[in-house]
Amino acid sequence: GENVEQHPSTLSVQEGDSAVIKCTYSDSASNYFPWYKQELGKGPQLIIDIRSNVGEKKDQRIAVTLNKTAKHFSLHITETQPEDSAVYFCAAPAEGNQFYFGTGTSLTVIP
Amino acid sequence: EAGVAQSPRYKIIEKRQSVAFWCNPISGHATLYWYQQILGQGPKLLIQFQNNGVVDDSQLPKDRFSAERLKGVDSTLKIQPAKLEDSAVYLCASSRTGWGHNEQFFGPGTRLTVL
Repeated sequence: GENVEQHPSTLSVQEGDSAVIKCTYSDSASNYFPWYKQELGKGPQLIIDIRSNVGEKKDQRIAVTLNKTAKHFSLHITETQPEDSAVYFCAAPAEGNQFYFGTGTSLTVIP
Repeated sequence: EAGVAQSPRYKIIEKRQSVAFWCNPISGHATLYWYQQILGQGPKLLIQFQNNGVVDDSQLPKDRFSAERLKGVDSTLKIQPAKLEDSAVYLCASSRTGWGHNEQFFGPGTRLTVL
């Protein structure tokens, strides 16, 4: 099965600074990598995803980069705002539409 | 569109008691998932349904957990009897299909505390 590792487990940044969260995976056949944001008391919500045929994808202040050779992908949040404070999870696929999730990164944006 | 609905939102029981959780997926979504999220960890898949059939239940502790999706829409997850280590948030998610890779939409979860 897939093994997903995520770092760091906690991250504090000043408002306006950038935040980077990194994940590694083990299954070289994996070809789809979503990132989820989970706010307190809510279920995870997809914020961005990337397929293996591209190396980078950007959506406003959020970007994801993928290095298939090294089997790692990263979430980049620029110009962070207090509402970005949440727990972020990366995931990598197993068979079908199943995902293995990372252990999560608790991001705190300090106003 | 309405999101994934779950109930109850919170449940406190004593060990060895039984508990059931209910999930109503987004209309038209063929695939339904139950995840267990222990505090400080990522969600772990327990079972995946495609319509009313089980696709994968390899990580479901079948001696105490059971799940059904009889009409291919709503689903229930049951624990009988509960253990202390079952304390977690139980998340239900749905997606349009179970093939390829599609966005999974999560419900708010049920927080279970076993005393």
